[in-house]
Amino acid sequence: AQRVTQPEKLLSVFKGAPVELKCNYSYSGSPELFWYVQYSRQRLQLLLRHISRESIKGFTADLNKGETSFHLKKPFAQEEDSAMYYCALTNPNFGNEKLTFGTGTRLTIIP
Amino acid sequence: DTGVSQDPRHKITKRGQNVTFRCDPISEHNRLYWYRQTLGQGPEFLTYFQNEAQLEKSRLLSDRFSAERPKGSFSTLEIQRTEQGDSAMYLCASSSPGALNTGELFFGEGSRLTVL
Repeated sequence: AQRVTQPEKLLSVFKGAPVELKCNYSYSGSPELFWYVQYSRQRLQLLLRHISRESIKGFTADLNKGETSFHLKKPFAQEEDSAMYYCALTNPNFGNEKLTFGTGTRLTIIP
Repeated sequence: DTGVSQDPRHKITKRGQNVTFRCDPISEHNRLYWYRQTLGQGPEFLTYFQNEAQLEKSRLLSDRFSAERPKGSFSTLEIQRTEQGDSAMYLCASSSPGALNTGELFFGEGSRLTVL
């Protein structure tokens, strides 16, 4: 069975400090990994996906297959980064967006 | 706003009543998903349509749940004989297939169900 684990329910970081949101997964195969974000009073939306190898709003995430991790990082936190973050995976062989989500981490940036 | 819309946003009902939620996806999207989110949890997959065909249903979707997408546009999710355990946020999402888009779901604001 596939599973996504986000060990931290809450994370508080000072503005300007580095941020790391942890995500570990269990999956027998090569999944596709994503980070979704939900800002206050907004909809859940895609932040980034590992296959794109992109940096969005200063965030990056590297897929480490050996450690089965996909941690989200940002070198300098900004107040607007405060939000709920969900790690998710899908089986690329499905050809659809049936995502398995983690339980989420609420990130609070302290001014 | 041309995003995914859901109706109603909030529904309070008594145990045993039936409820129906509606989802209007982004117009050019042919895939539509229903997820359920309970407090402290991430969204959990319920079911998925490609056009009007319901291609997959989760084991979470008991016999009391039924979803339809009759014309491949809007979708409804009906819960019969509601139970307190059905209280949750019901999220609808849509997507457009394509190698570059895989994994990107566009979510609605959700329909929050409270069963008393």
